[in-house]
Amino acid sequence: DQQVKQNSPSLSVQEGRISILNCDYTNSMFDYFLWYKKYPAEGPTFLISISSIKDKNEDGRFTVFLNKSAKHLSLHIVPSQPGDSAVYFCAASESGTYKYIFGTGTRLKVLA
Amino acid sequence: SAVISQKPSRDICQRGTSLTIQCQVDSQVTMMFWYRQQPGQSLTLIATANQGSEATYESGFVIDKFPISRPNLTFSTLTVSNMSPEDSSIYLCSVGRDNNSPLHFGNGTRLTVT
Repeated sequence: DQQVKQNSPSLSVQEGRISILNCDYTNSMFDYFLWYKKYPAEGPTFLISISSIKDKNEDGRFTVFLNKSAKHLSLHIVPSQPGDSAVYFCAASESGTYKYIFGTGTRLKVLA
Repeated sequence: SAVISQKPSRDICQRGTSLTIQCQVDSQVTMMFWYRQQPGQSLTLIATANQGSEATYESGFVIDKFPISRPNLTFSTLTVSNMSPEDSSIYLCSVGRDNNSPLHFGNGTRLTVT
């Protein structure tokens, strides 16, 4: 049972445009959500997070949106840069569990 | 965030052998975890490494196959025992301060079992 899903395995975007990565979850008890970026031969790097009391969190070029009723979150990258090309994972957890459930990842390619 | 050093970075091992992966953190951390990423899959939690006591394993993972040590707040090891080709994966050490804070990961160990 995949509790966190990233239905797009890959995405290509032109440099300077917006990249939108999507993530859906099924467990309504999840209340903390994160996005990670992973380059080949490196571990995942934390990008941005959001708790369920918010519907938006912004950090520079990265914004995460949370729609609790739809059990959906998205990561917006504006403007996209070639260095953003990586695999992006969303993750979710339930308070007090210390367990983070990860999606299968979306490979983003930003074209120069 | 903490600097996490994991070694080896990669290894090729024969079926039936065991490999121990080390994870060293540059500061004391409360939570340490071991994850696995099989080819084309998401990151799956193997176990929580508890300092001074037995690790807490997730469903589908057992101590005999994945023994874990955590002698102090900065170091942990994961052993992959009696390996088979199905154990070929990236194994990742991660640390966290508390729940509702981000996990930080080491660079992983890419294991290939032939």
